[in-house]
Amino acid sequence: AQTVTQSQPEMSVQEAETVTLSCTYDTSESDYYLFWYKQPPSRQMILVIRQEAYKQQNATENRFSVNFQKAAKSFSLKISDSQLGDAAMYFCAYMDNFNKFYFGSGTKLNVKP
Amino acid sequence: EAGVTQFPSHSVIEKGQTVTLRCDPISGHDNLYWYRRVMGKEIKFLLHFVKESKQDESGMPNNRFLAERTGGTYSTLKVQPAELEDSGVYFCASSQGLGFGRGAYEQYFGPGTRLTVT
Repeated sequence: AQTVTQSQPEMSVQEAETVTLSCTYDTSESDYYLFWYKQPPSRQMILVIRQEAYKQQNATENRFSVNFQKAAKSFSLKISDSQLGDAAMYFCAYMDNFNKFYFGSGTKLNVKP
Repeated sequence: EAGVTQFPSHSVIEKGQTVTLRCDPISGHDNLYWYRRVMGKEIKFLLHFVKESKQDESGMPNNRFLAERTGGTYSTLKVQPAELEDSGVYFCASSQGLGFGRGAYEQYFGPGTRLTVT
């Protein structure tokens, strides 16, 4: 079965600085999707960024980018120029060929002014 | 466009009681998913509806959990009787289609229902 591991339960970053959240996964599939979701306090989860496994190029969405290392089964999220609004719980997720999602346990990101 | 809504936002019940959670997906989304997050742990898949049919219910913990999706619209998740270990946040998500077609697979999440069993 697929598993997703987020080894950092909580992290802090200074406003305007850069932070990287780690995620590793385990799978025997060759084709899949990876996602980072963000859940602000008391609000619903929203999609931050997605990566198709067959694409070698790392996905980028404004200040958010990923470092996808397929061989190492690693999918880290980099947040540049951190803002107070980035403070949230971040979940890494894997989607298999049946559109089934597997999530990590989450990383709580604190942003210090 | 209205997002995925869930009701109630928080429920506190005693062990042995029954609770029903409701999810209203985004209009037109055939796929509806239920997930659960126990405190500090990962979000775990419970089941997946395609319209009114259960596509995959492999994540349902036991037969105390019953999910329905009336007419392929809203869904309910009933826990009867509730146990202490059922406490957690229950998320609902919906998506438009299946497969790897662009945009078809993105799941939109509701705010969750926090269930506390005492």
